[in-house]
Amino acid sequence: AQSVTQLGSHVSVSEGALVLLRCNYSSSVPPYLFWYVQYPNQGLQLLLKYTTGATLVKGINGFEAEFKKSETSFHLTKPSAHMSDAAEYFCAVISGGNYGQNFVFGPGTRLSVLP
Amino acid sequence: DGGITQSPKYLFRKEGQNVTLSCEQNLNHDAMYWYRQDPGQGLRLIYYSQIVNDFQKGDIAEGYSVSREKKESFPLTVTSAQKNPTAFYLCASSMSLALNEQFFGPGTRLTVL
Repeated sequence: AQSVTQLGSHVSVSEGALVLLRCNYSSSVPPYLFWYVQYPNQGLQLLLKYTTGATLVKGINGFEAEFKKSETSFHLTKPSAHMSDAAEYFCAVISGGNYGQNFVFGPGTRLSVLP
Repeated sequence: DGGITQSPKYLFRKEGQNVTLSCEQNLNHDAMYWYRQDPGQGLRLIYYSQIVNDFQKGDIAEGYSVSREKKESFPLTVTSAQKNPTAFYLCASSMSLALNEQFFGPGTRLTVL
C-alpha cells in the first residue's frame, strides 16, 4: 500500500528565506508524485508533478521539487518566500494498481510567512 | 474557461436531513472524485467514478451516496446516516484513473446545525 508523510504540520519562515517542505512516500512501484497548494476555503491547485524523466521538476510560483528515489523523497523548495506563499501544501503519490484509490495525499503542511 | 464548479459554496442543514452537493466539470474528463477534508487530516476519498453509470466506494463511503448519470456531473448526497457530516467537501476530476493528476473544484463547506 502507498503512503505519504509530510514532516512538520506547520512550517514558519521569514519573507525572503528559503522554503523547504518535506515529503516522503512509500510505493512498491515507480510513482508519480505531485505537490498541490490550497489557500483558505479554496480547492487544491497543482504546483508541480513528477512522472518520468528529469528528477528536478519546476512548477508555478517559483517552486521546484526533486525526486530522489534512493531517499523516497520529493521535497518542495523555493529560494525566497513571499507573503503570498502562505497556504497549505499537500504532497500526493499515485502508482499502479487500483488507480482510483491509489491517489494518496499526505496530511498537509501549513506554511506561514513572517514579515 | 474549462474547470470544475461546485455549488453551493456554503451549505447549512439540520440534523436528520439529506443534502446534495453539486459538482460539474467541462474538462471532458472521464474520472471524478469526492473528498472530505477535516482540519489536520488531509483529504479522504469518499467515492470515485471512472466512467458514466459506474462508481466505487472510497475509504469513507458510509453515510454518502453518489450518481454518475452524465459525464460532466457527479453529485454527492450526504445522508442522515453520516454521523459527523460537518466538513469541507472537494470534488475533483482527471482524464482517467490511470496516473493522471487531479483537478479540483473550489469546495463546499457543509455545516450541520
